[in-house]
Amino acid sequence: NAGVMQNPRHLVRRRGQEARLRCSPMKGHSHVYWYRQLPEEGLKFMVYLQKENIIDESGMPKERFSAEFPKEGPSILRIQQVVRGDSAAYFCASSLVGLGSRGPTDTQYFGPGTRLTVL
Amino acid sequence: KQEVTQIPAALSVPEGENLVLNCSFTDSAIYNLQWFRQDPGKGLTSLLLIQSSQREQTSGRLNASLDKSSGRSTLYIAASQPGDSATYLCAGDDKIIFGKGTRLHILP
Repeated sequence: NAGVMQNPRHLVRRRGQEARLRCSPMKGHSHVYWYRQLPEEGLKFMVYLQKENIIDESGMPKERFSAEFPKEGPSILRIQQVVRGDSAAYFCASSLVGLGSRGPTDTQYFGPGTRLTVL
Repeated sequence: KQEVTQIPAALSVPEGENLVLNCSFTDSAIYNLQWFRQDPGKGLTSLLLIQSSQREQTSGRLNASLDKSSGRSTLYIAASQPGDSATYLCAGDDKIIFGKGTRLHILP
């Protein structure tokens, strides 16, 4: 059973370009989470998705960022018109059971991350 | 606003020692909490998940406990080994808020 897959592992973009990060959850998992880890900072929750639905996007910047998890295929985190401040490691996680009202009720499995560098 | 503090920020100990890592939440109403390790340049590996009905979890040389009245959790590592060197993160709350981690270095 393959773990959570993320690609690309490293992505370099120039300011103003678009970045598309992909995440394939573990087999059988329908809950996906995206996190961002800025240099010297902790992980920050961005968005929680279930198949075809955004459940919680409270951690997502209001502009330029979007996420989707279609019925078929990987989850995509899209960053439009990237700026240098977007440079970070972006991690995806998946779980079999989703978030309860009081936090994680199931183990989250993390992918290796995509390291985005904006020149 | 919920915040997570992990103490110490960094720790170096000789191999074989037992050690304790601490995690505390400003809002003590934590029901579920998870401990992870992160190796340099890699993703997170889940270590232990303490759910609302539990007070502690054990896996091998690791034991995590959660005091819900104070919003504090500890991760106990017994008989530390060089392979335990990593950054250890705790996360909880409904928004899965992470601490900044404790960078652990086990000296051979």
